[in-house]
Amino acid sequence: EADIYQTPRYLVIGTGKKITLECSQTMGHDKMYWYQQDPGMELHLIHYSYGVNSTEKGDLSSESTVSRIRTEHFPLTLESARPSHTSQYLCASSDTQGAREKLFFGSGTQLSVL
Amino acid sequence: GESVGLHLPTLSVQEGDNSIINCAYSNSASDYFIWYKQESGKGPQFIIDIRSNMDKRQGQRVTVLLNKTVKHLSLQIAATQPGDSAVYFCAEGTDSSYKLIFGSGTRLLVRP
Repeated sequence: EADIYQTPRYLVIGTGKKITLECSQTMGHDKMYWYQQDPGMELHLIHYSYGVNSTEKGDLSSESTVSRIRTEHFPLTLESARPSHTSQYLCASSDTQGAREKLFFGSGTQLSVL
Repeated sequence: GESVGLHLPTLSVQEGDNSIINCAYSNSASDYFIWYKQESGKGPQFIIDIRSNMDKRQGQRVTVLLNKTVKHLSLQIAATQPGDSAVYFCAEGTDSSYKLIFGSGTRLLVRP
């Protein structure tokens, strides 16, 4: 069982609200990621971090922002939620094992914007 | 851009039979490939991986086959069990990047 936690599990919120999705890991991993996933569809990378004070945008354009002030914490923020943001958001962390990345995923936050 | 995709969106098998889940990829420069299993309400879990210089790798009840000639990857599950019911994703990566590219999932349904 991976030690990576996401809160909340489910969030229903109105348009225009500011929200923060929390992600924490206790494995001491330097690299962390946020993926967006629609039901049954592939995961799209929206943000990643190589370590403290390092953040990069992923392959899928996103209006969200992230911060990495502590190794274990990688929150994602939407300043003004819209219905198009409705999706599942998955956080992951990784370490390099045998020259490839092994990702550990949280259980996800299912976001619904009304 | 480069992509990883799956042939079948849903696969239904009888309990005890073998399952084969397929994946096509387009980036011939990928250094490794990974299969993930995602159960309902959970994040993806690592199953098995294979380096691009290999053509077969076996785990516990699972085997991954890589055919670089046709850019095809498959996951074989022996003696499929109800607990194997999930969505399976293949992903590819390169040694020069920490990012993985995921394909769309295949849902495996196991009939009792």
